[in-house]
Amino acid sequence: DAKTTQPPSMDCAEGRAANLPCNHSTISGNEYVYWYRQIHSQGPQYIIHGLKNNETNEMASLIITEDRKSSTLILPHATLRDTAVYYCIVSPPDGGTSYGKLTFGQGTILTVHP
Amino acid sequence: GAVVSQHPSWVICKSGTSVKIECRSLDFQATTMFWYRQFPKQSLMLMATSNEGSKATYEQGVEKDKFLINHASLTLSTLTVTSAHPEDSSFYICSAVVRTGGTGELFFGEGSRLTVL
Repeated sequence: DAKTTQPPSMDCAEGRAANLPCNHSTISGNEYVYWYRQIHSQGPQYIIHGLKNNETNEMASLIITEDRKSSTLILPHATLRDTAVYYCIVSPPDGGTSYGKLTFGQGTILTVHP
Repeated sequence: GAVVSQHPSWVICKSGTSVKIECRSLDFQATTMFWYRQFPKQSLMLMATSNEGSKATYEQGVEKDKFLINHASLTLSTLTVTSAHPEDSSFYICSAVVRTGGTGELFFGEGSRLTVL
């Protein structure tokens, strides 16, 4: 069962903000929203995660709606190196081994163009 | 951040041979590691959970006798693809959890691309 829904692809101009949406309408109360990205032929890279408050780190910002049914990952100034597949995943925070058993959907292919 | 390293990064082998892929946590101890497989243009699929000092647990549909997992130490898990066939050609990725407070971050290796001729 797909727990998240993302658009299959998005384009963004270099230097502009990239806003990647994710729907997770069946999210449970204790589940966090995680974002990972995978650059071609590499392992996935952790970006950010959050529960209900908006979060920001050196890579991105995560905006979670008040009802927690959707979220948006924001890359404030996209560069060509941000071209990748972005995965939105919901998971319990620390369920022992269950945390690492992530279910990856198809993600969003973000293409940043000059 | 934490580093997970895989070796080899790519390997080509003949059909019927066995291939071993190593996954190491370089600066932390990992009692649990995870093995994923990714076919071209598809998403990652979890294969198994590797538990230090005990047997691995496999996801439904993954043959445990074909994909042997050994987690002999807190920093090393190995995946052996036995009697490999062309359909086993894939990108194999391992990961490990680093827990901070009540949550954790999952760090992935660079991946190992297996091509079976």
